[in-house]
Amino acid sequence: ETGVTQTPRHLVMGMTNKKSLKCEQHLGHNAMYWYKQSAKKPLELMFVYNFKEQTENNSVPSRFSPECPNSSHLFLHLHTLQPEDSALYLCASSLVTSGSTEAFFGQGTRLTVV
Amino acid sequence: DAKTTQPPSMDCAEGRAANLPCNHSTISGNEYVYWYRQIHSQGPQYIIHGLKNNETNEMASLIITEDRKSSTLILPHATLRDTAVYYCIVRSQGGSEKLVFGKGMKLTVNP
Repeated sequence: ETGVTQTPRHLVMGMTNKKSLKCEQHLGHNAMYWYKQSAKKPLELMFVYNFKEQTENNSVPSRFSPECPNSSHLFLHLHTLQPEDSALYLCASSLVTSGSTEAFFGQGTRLTVV
Repeated sequence: DAKTTQPPSMDCAEGRAANLPCNHSTISGNEYVYWYRQIHSQGPQYIIHGLKNNETNEMASLIITEDRKSSTLILPHATLRDTAVYYCIVRSQGGSEKLVFGKGMKLTVNP
């Protein structure tokens, strides 16, 4: 248990569906991240939020829409996805300080697009 | 792009020490060395990090060379549950700096 909780753990959706992934942490962290991990590939950073503001978008297609309403919650809204978007989606959080701190990851949402 | 180089895989006997190498020859002065591991289909798990001094915690030890161009993660008594992909990452000071993952190294602990 890392303190970062992702729901749902598994999701199957059609290409015309709209769904959302949820991530929450109660660690007092103020930076949150979305990563994508496709089969047999390294983790790819998608989005970074610092103090609820998006500070990085790694050229992610607009069919992925993040939302960070507060420092404890992060969402990834999905619409009109493609089968190649099937992957493990991981959320992480960390504490912004002047020193070094580790990031903690959730267990991920396994997404299958059919 | 990842700034580290790791061998793709390594085997270790259960109960023996596992020494996992990592090269980071372009590391800069304010970059830390972080180690994470990922057990199949789970989220990455933080192991340890360091700047220039050797570090030890309940999971592992981290040995960083004096020139900081390489490091070794040591699992003192490997168990079957330590089988995972291990990632060595360099990350700048400041908690919001992103973690960039490479391909990592698959450690297999054999009975």
